[in-house]
Amino acid sequence: DTEVTQTPKHLVMGMTNKKSLKCEQHMGHRAMYWYKQKAKKPPELMFVYSYEKLSINESVPSRFSPECPNSSLLNLHLHALQPEDSALYLCASSRQGDQPQHFGDGTRLSIL
Amino acid sequence: SQQGEEDPQALSIQEGENATMNCSYKTSINNLQWYRQNSGRGLVHLILIRSNEREKHSGRLRVTLDTSKKSSSLLITASRAADTASYFCATGNNFNKFYFGSGTKLNVKP
Repeated sequence: DTEVTQTPKHLVMGMTNKKSLKCEQHMGHRAMYWYKQKAKKPPELMFVYSYEKLSINESVPSRFSPECPNSSLLNLHLHALQPEDSALYLCASSRQGDQPQHFGDGTRLSIL
Repeated sequence: SQQGEEDPQALSIQEGENATMNCSYKTSINNLQWYRQNSGRGLVHLILIRSNEREKHSGRLRVTLDTSKKSSSLLITASRAADTASYFCATGNNFNKFYFGSGTKLNVKP
C-alpha cells in the first residue's frame, strides 16, 4: 500500500470530455507534484505545488489544469485532451522540494 | 531527458550476482536520489546521497557520487528476483525541480 492515494486507477475518455484526477496524502507534506510518464520513459515533471501555491509549471498545455484545494489534496483537471496525452499520471509528495518523494501508483489515462 | 542519461538501458543478471547502474546529470544539485519502479506501479525511494557525500550504503545498496564528473552509480549486491524493476536516478535542487534520468531496466533471473 502506498501513502499517496490516486483515483481513479484507470480512465478512458474522449477528446471532448472533462475529467479530473485526484491525489491525497496525509503525511503532512507541503510539496506536491504531478508527473506524466509514457511507456519505457522516465517521469516528466508537470507541476509543483509548494505550501498550496503553484510554484512550477513546466510549460504544460492549458488543457491540463492543476488545483490544490488544501494541503492534503491535489487535483488535475483535464479538458479537450489529445491522443498523445495518453500516459500514466503520477502524483507525489515530499516534505520539501529536494527531499525524497512518495509516489502514488498513478492513473493510467487513455484518450480515444 | 532533461536530467541526463543512465546506463546501461537494460541489464540482465542471475540471482546472487551484483548489479551496477550509472547515472549522469547536467545541473548543480543538493542531492541525488535513486528510485525503483515495478511494472505498473509508482516509484519507490531507495536512497539519497547529499552533494557533499561521496558514498552511502543502505542494506544491499551502495551509492557513489562524483560531483566533478556529475555522475553517480548504484550497486545492488547479491541480487534477488524481487529486485527486477526499473531504476531511476533523480536530482534535487533549490528550485523544487526534480528531474529523473532515463532509467535502467534490471531483470534478475532466478
